[in-house]
Amino acid sequence: GAVVSQHPSRVICKSGTSVKIECRSLDFQATTMFWYRQFPKKSLMLMATSNEGSKATYEQGVEKDKFLINHASLTLSTLTVTSAHPEDSSFYICSATTVEGANEQYFGPGTRLTVT
Amino acid sequence: AQKITQTQPGMFVQEKEAVTLDCTYDTSDPSYGLFWYKQPSSGEMIFLIYQGSYDQQNATEGRYSLNFQKARKSANLVISASQLGDSAMYFCAMREGRNQGGKLIFGQGTELSVKP
Repeated sequence: GAVVSQHPSRVICKSGTSVKIECRSLDFQATTMFWYRQFPKKSLMLMATSNEGSKATYEQGVEKDKFLINHASLTLSTLTVTSAHPEDSSFYICSATTVEGANEQYFGPGTRLTVT
Repeated sequence: AQKITQTQPGMFVQEKEAVTLDCTYDTSDPSYGLFWYKQPSSGEMIFLIYQGSYDQQNATEGRYSLNFQKARKSANLVISASQLGDSAMYFCAMREGRNQGGKLIFGQGTELSVKP
């Protein structure tokens, strides 16, 4: 099956700094990538939808300037958490769909962000 | 209004027995897809099964089957012959519309524990 990677898998950063999370589709071209946030034992909350070469579409309540998303190619999307604060600590997961439009979304393994 | 509802925060099942995880949904779109994902403690999202709104038969994938009752707007997951490795969080999700690259809306999740 299609493989999606995320880097880093874990990151600890100090409050006020920015951190970038990469999401890559390794063996397919992803027309669309999605970014989710998940708190412990809670559901996945969609943050934004990212299409290659265009601006991301953010869900209501998600700060665009806080969570910068760039989808530079059909295999790479990045999420940058700017001026991170402890409340941004969470599990961030990306997913991707293929050009062929399969029913399945392929998820990355997730990135655990801890802001101290 | 909650579009995907999982009313069972936690479930226990004896090893080798079957278990049903409930999921109800709400949509006015005649075209939609329903998904079930498994999330073990490692955090990865594992795709289990998919049911399209126009599919006439219930989906099955190995030990997983989806009990699709369209009139009741329910899409329960049945796991037969439970194994210890089935212990995990299970999420029901819905994608609305014909766009197969569309975003997923997740339920709250059910934590399944399989007892030896």
